[in-house]
Amino acid sequence: DADVTQTPRNRITKTGKRIMLECSQTKGHDRMYWYRQDPGLGLRLIYYSFDVKDINKGEISDGYSVSRQAQAKFSLSLESAIPNQTALYFCATSDPGTGNQPQHFGDGTRLSIL
Amino acid sequence: DAKTTQPNSMESNEEEPVHLPCNHSTISGTDYIHWYRQLPSQGPEYVIHGLTSNVNNRMASLAIAEDRKSSTLILHRATLRDAAVYYCILRDVTGNQFYFGTGTSLTVIP
Repeated sequence: DADVTQTPRNRITKTGKRIMLECSQTKGHDRMYWYRQDPGLGLRLIYYSFDVKDINKGEISDGYSVSRQAQAKFSLSLESAIPNQTALYFCATSDPGTGNQPQHFGDGTRLSIL
Repeated sequence: DAKTTQPNSMESNEEEPVHLPCNHSTISGTDYIHWYRQLPSQGPEYVIHGLTSNVNNRMASLAIAEDRKSSTLILHRATLRDAAVYYCILRDVTGNQFYFGTGTSLTVIP
């Protein structure tokens, strides 16, 4: 089983719908992250969480919200989806550290908004 | 986090060494240099990281310039499975965030 699991793997929906992407991990890491990837733009950070009570905005948080339900679970919501939120979304985890801790990524959720 | 600059694409013949360069001229003294790669239809995968000294692991080697303004990821013998996008990233001492650039797309020619 994968250490970082994202569900669903693919989702097609319509403009204005509420969408939730889920991430769960078995690595026991405190830190979790949500990124989006657009063609030619690399990955950009949406939100991150250092523990259950800690949520921080990343580079592009507008239009998104997150919930850290437990150490192992971190979900990303699009309250009212719009077409320019069509992208590949990745969840990642890491141990706390001083910048030398690697991040571990899931295989992504491909989201298409029509 | 400081920015990095990488070539958009590179090619290598199978079983030959590959040197993937990265410039990070604005690096601070406490920034770690990380490398990740992303295979098609997968999430990024950690490759290696370092601070000042060269580093080796089972996947690759990382050569860091003495002034730390550039680094090179070395794949000793490229295989077809090494075809991927390689990202060079700086991570500050707080470890709060990664900033991914657009990376280098490596093509391995059989």
